[in-house]
Amino acid sequence: GDSVTQMEGPVTLSEEAFLTINCTYTATGYPSLFWYVQYPGEGLQLLLKATKADDKGSNKGFEATYRKETTSFHLEKGSVQVSDSAVYFCALSERNSASKIIFGSGTRLSIRP
Amino acid sequence: GAVVSQHPSRVICKSGTSVKIECRSLDFQATTMFWYRQFPKQSLMLMATSNEGSKATYEQGVEKDKFLINHASLTLSTLTVTSAHPEDSSFYICSARPFSGTVGEKLFFGSGTQLSVL
Repeated sequence: GDSVTQMEGPVTLSEEAFLTINCTYTATGYPSLFWYVQYPGEGLQLLLKATKADDKGSNKGFEATYRKETTSFHLEKGSVQVSDSAVYFCALSERNSASKIIFGSGTRLSIRP
Repeated sequence: GAVVSQHPSRVICKSGTSVKIECRSLDFQATTMFWYRQFPKQSLMLMATSNEGSKATYEQGVEKDKFLINHASLTLSTLTVTSAHPEDSSFYICSARPFSGTVGEKLFFGSGTQLSVL
């Protein structure tokens, strides 16, 4: 079945460092891809998305490009801030699915001042 | 943005007791709510989909008599873990989708409930 594999955390970086969180997926069709973020004490919220190959999703300085050839959707940010400390989830949904989202296991990111 | 309130955030109970978790959409009506669970270092797994006024649809391998879901109104869904056992200890999270919204984008999550069964 469809699945999402992401980098196991925790990841600890210094402020202003470059961030990459790897995500790869397995899907039979042409899924949409997402990154969700969960800040401490809050619910998951959509960070960015891409719906077809070569699309780049971006938000709050984060970017991820839908790479069909490598089945990847790595999350990147050029200069992280303390406020980016959170858990990040990579996810996919099949186009013909009304509701089902498949999540990765989440990566906890901690940024040191 | 839209807010989903999930309560309680943490619960500890004795083996054999039942635990109810509530999921409320505070500023929108949710035709559909979803329940997930997550074991440590594993993915969020969809347990069931509940539609207001109808029976929940459970994913394969999820016991519907064990995990009772009620979606009695457009703003409230509840998950009851019946006769809880230590292996039910997990992180449970709900999400809600408004009347209009595509999968993934218009999906709002609660902050989760950590259940520990002694």
